[in-house]
Amino acid sequence: QKEVEQNSGPLSVPEGAIASLNCTYSDRGSQSFFWYRQYSGKSPELIMSIYSNGDKEDGRFTAQLNKASQYVSLLIRDSQPSDSATYLCAVMAFSGGYNKLIFGAGTRLAVHP
Amino acid sequence: ETGVTQTPRHLVMGMTNKKSLKCEQHLGHNAMYWYKQSAKKPLELMFVYSLEERVENNSVPSRFSPECPNSSHLFLHLHTLQPEDSALYLCASSQAGTYNEQFFGPGTRLTVL
Repeated sequence: QKEVEQNSGPLSVPEGAIASLNCTYSDRGSQSFFWYRQYSGKSPELIMSIYSNGDKEDGRFTAQLNKASQYVSLLIRDSQPSDSATYLCAVMAFSGGYNKLIFGAGTRLAVHP
Repeated sequence: ETGVTQTPRHLVMGMTNKKSLKCEQHLGHNAMYWYKQSAKKPLELMFVYSLEERVENNSVPSRFSPECPNSSHLFLHLHTLQPEDSALYLCASSQAGTYNEQFFGPGTRLTVL
C-alpha cells in the first residue's frame, strides 16, 4: 500500500512568520511531488510541483525534496491570514500499469494576526 | 469557460433517484479523473480515463458509473445511492505521463437523503 503521511495539525503560526509543512511517502520509486492548497468548502488548488532533489522557489513558497529520506516539505514565508487552509501533499506512484496521485490527508494551517 | 468546470455544484437526491454529474476540461488534457472527498478523509481516487480509455476502477460500487465520451468531457452516473455516499465529488484533468499536474474542478457537493 503506497502511502503519503502528513501531520493533520492544526499548525498555528503568527502573521509574518514562516510556516513549515512536512510530508513523507513510502514509494521509493516516486518521481513527482505536488502541494495543493484547499480552502474550506473549495476544491484543491495546485501551488507547487517538484521533481528533483533540492529546493524550488515560487514567490513566498519553497518546496523541498529529499528522495533519499522520502521527505518533501513546503515553506511559506511571510505567512498571511489568507494562507489559512488545508495543504495537501500528493505523490505520483506507478501502480496498476499507470501513474496516479496518492494524496495525504492534509495539514491544516492557521495564520493568526 | 476556462480550466475545469463541473455541474451541478450542489445536488440533493433520494436513494432511489438517478442523476449524473458532468465535468468538462478546457485545458487540452488527455486524462480525466473522478475523486471522492469525505469529511476528515484523504482524497479517494474513483476512476481514471487516459486517452478516453478507463484505466482505473478503484473498487468503486457499481451504483457509480463513469462515462468519458471524449477527452474533454467526463460524466459520473449515480443510481440507488446510500447516505454514506454523501461527499464532495471532484473532477480533475491532466496530461497523461509521469509529471502530470492535475487540475481540479470546483466539485459537486452531493447529499443523499
